Amino acid sequence: GENVEQHPSTLSVQEGDSAVIKCTYSDSASNYFPWYKQELGKGPQLIIDIRSNVGEKKDQRIAVTLNKTAKHFSLHITETQPEDSAVYFCAASRGSGTYKYIFGTGTRLKVLA
Amino acid sequence: DSGVTQTPKHLITATGQRVTLRCSPRSGDLSVYWYQQSLDQGLQFLIHYYNGEERAKGNILERFSAQQFPDLHSELNLSSLELGDSALYFCASSGAGVSKNIQYFGAGTRLSVL
Repeated sequence: GENVEQHPSTLSVQEGDSAVIKCTYSDSASNYFPWYKQELGKGPQLIIDIRSNVGEKKDQRIAVTLNKTAKHFSLHITETQPEDSAVYFCAASRGSGTYKYIFGTGTRLKVLA
Repeated sequence: DSGVTQTPKHLITATGQRVTLRCSPRSGDLSVYWYQQSLDQGLQFLIHYYNGEERAKGNILERFSAQQFPDLHSELNLSSLELGDSALYFCASSGAGVSKNIQYFGAGTRLSVL
């Protein structure tokens, strides 16, 4: 069935260091991969996304890479800041009739000042 | 602010009761998705409506139902509530064209079943 695995479940980094979160999906028909940031008491907020026809996308300190052959994608945050502390979710969507998301289990990122 | 409005923010009720959660999508968005977020299950897809029609169902319990009205707002009805239904319920909306994949989430409704 459809499944997205996400690692690690928790991640602590020193301010200014980089953070990497990895996801693996099972449905080879998936073609859209968003990343969401969820702060306490709030709904998930889209921070970056990538489509299956692209291998890498960057937006300031955030980048996402996609390896379709291996069916995994990763979020990279450079020069981390305390405000990056949150729970991050990856998701996969196949986009046929419905664009429902299959989410990973989340990574709690703590950036230590 | 995502533009997606969910009410109420919190709901406390007893086992066996029925509740209705409401979602107003972003202006112009035709799709509404519902997700359940519990501590041990993460974010789970429940159901997708597009312009009033059901498009996809996830692992939604038979005690749960949803609908999307002509003004595009959606309601999620949860009945015969059990302790295990306590969770955060999110709705998300998406538009059309190149943005149809992108879902914008509301702030959620926290349901506590006592």
